[in-house]
Amino acid sequence: EPEVTQTPSHQVTQMGQEVILRCVPISNHLYFYWYRQILGQKVEFLVSFYNNEISEKSEIFDDQFSVERPDGSNFTLKIRSTKLEDSAMYFCASSERGAGGGYTFGSGTRLTVV
Amino acid sequence: GIQVEQSPPDLILQEGANSTLRCNFSDSVNNLQWFHQNPWGQLINLFYIPSGTKQNGRLSATTVATERYSLLYISSSQTTDSGVYFCAVGPSNTGKLIFGQGTTLQVKP
Repeated sequence: EPEVTQTPSHQVTQMGQEVILRCVPISNHLYFYWYRQILGQKVEFLVSFYNNEISEKSEIFDDQFSVERPDGSNFTLKIRSTKLEDSAMYFCASSERGAGGGYTFGSGTRLTVV
Repeated sequence: GIQVEQSPPDLILQEGANSTLRCNFSDSVNNLQWFHQNPWGQLINLFYIPSGTKQNGRLSATTVATERYSLLYISSSQTTDSGVYFCAVGPSNTGKLIFGQGTTLQVKP
């Protein structure tokens, strides 16, 4: 079964540093997403991406966040200047059809900001 | 925005028991999925079920879209079923998923 691949699985960074989380969506999927889950809480939507642009973003997705599809296979989330409260599990997801279709989630990147 | 409520919040079972998890949502949706989050934090997709009934082994799910709820049935539970079960819905006017708070299941041997 096709998978969404995320790297790294764990990342520890110092406050104020920039981090890039990487994802390889399923190859024939067109819609890409980032979600995050703070420890012990529910999963929250960050941003959706389609046709090389952001289609929707949440209030959490402020100016310190950006997304990019640098080539035909990767989808990245950049956090410019990390804060302690950015510590969370970050999930990438992709979908073939977007709204009305199923989503496949990656295994997540656990980000710890110290 | 749409509200997603899951019940019960916590559930403890003996191995071999059956259980029903419920997800209520407050508006019409074009997507509903059930996920199992394992102890390593991975989200495992169980069902894509915006309506109707599906079964996969010991698990089955039913969504009654007109009444805005979905049920996940776990039969003959095993210790490996432990973890958090999330219901996530896709509101009709958007492609994102809204997650419930989850049901934490512990299956004891």
